[in-house]
Amino acid sequence: DIVMTQTPPSLSVTPGQPASISCKSSQSLLHSDGKTYLYWYLQRPGQPPQLLIYEVSNRFSGVPDRFSGSASGTDFTLKISRVEAEDVGLYYCMQSIQLPITFGQGTRLDIK
Amino acid sequence: QIQLVQSGAEVKKPGSSVTVSCKTSGGTFSSYAFTWVRQAPGQGLEWMGGIIPMFEKATYAEKFQGRVTITADEATTTLYLEVSSLTSEDTAVYYCARAGERITIFQNWFDPWGQGTLVTVSS
Repeated sequence: DIVMTQTPPSLSVTPGQPASISCKSSQSLLHSDGKTYLYWYLQRPGQPPQLLIYEVSNRFSGVPDRFSGSASGTDFTLKISRVEAEDVGLYYCMQSIQLPITFGQGTRLDIK
Repeated sequence: QIQLVQSGAEVKKPGSSVTVSCKTSGGTFSSYAFTWVRQAPGQGLEWMGGIIPMFEKATYAEKFQGRVTITADEATTTLYLEVSSLTSEDTAVYYCARAGERITIFQNWFDPWGQGTLVTVSS
């Protein structure tokens, strides 16, 4: 199984400041079709997860442009350019290049 | 806009079975993939398996093979997750979710998600 390792486990950010979450996969997520099957989700308190970013860097419909994703090999990063109060919650990376689909352990973001 | 509405919370005895339903509306059913993910209290997300209704065949994580059954009813556009031989470790919120545009369970995103169903296993 592909292991997804997220860091940090938690972070506390002042509104308006940037935030960065890292995710490292134990295997390449780059498929022969040219796509990299890495996704980012946000789970707000008491809510189901919602998709933020698909295939490393594509913002899903309705996701604010302060969210961005990038990759370097098997290292992936989610950045929030200016954190807002509504960004509080758990962030998960997920790989779906192969089964079983696996998630990172999650990163909890709260507001200072 | 597709919506996924799940059945209500359940309390079950160890060794019993539970079935969680996920009713879909507002979108195409048969030609999308759907998946089930669970989240134990205070824990992360765990993929259990998925199904593409038009193909009928479900795929499972090895951990759940033989103990979990995923089915889809095209007539009612409803998904089902049955978990048997329950133990306390199965206490979790169970989510259904629809996959993205490709007709595959993997190499795909999951959105939207159902609201979640809490299953509590306790004697």
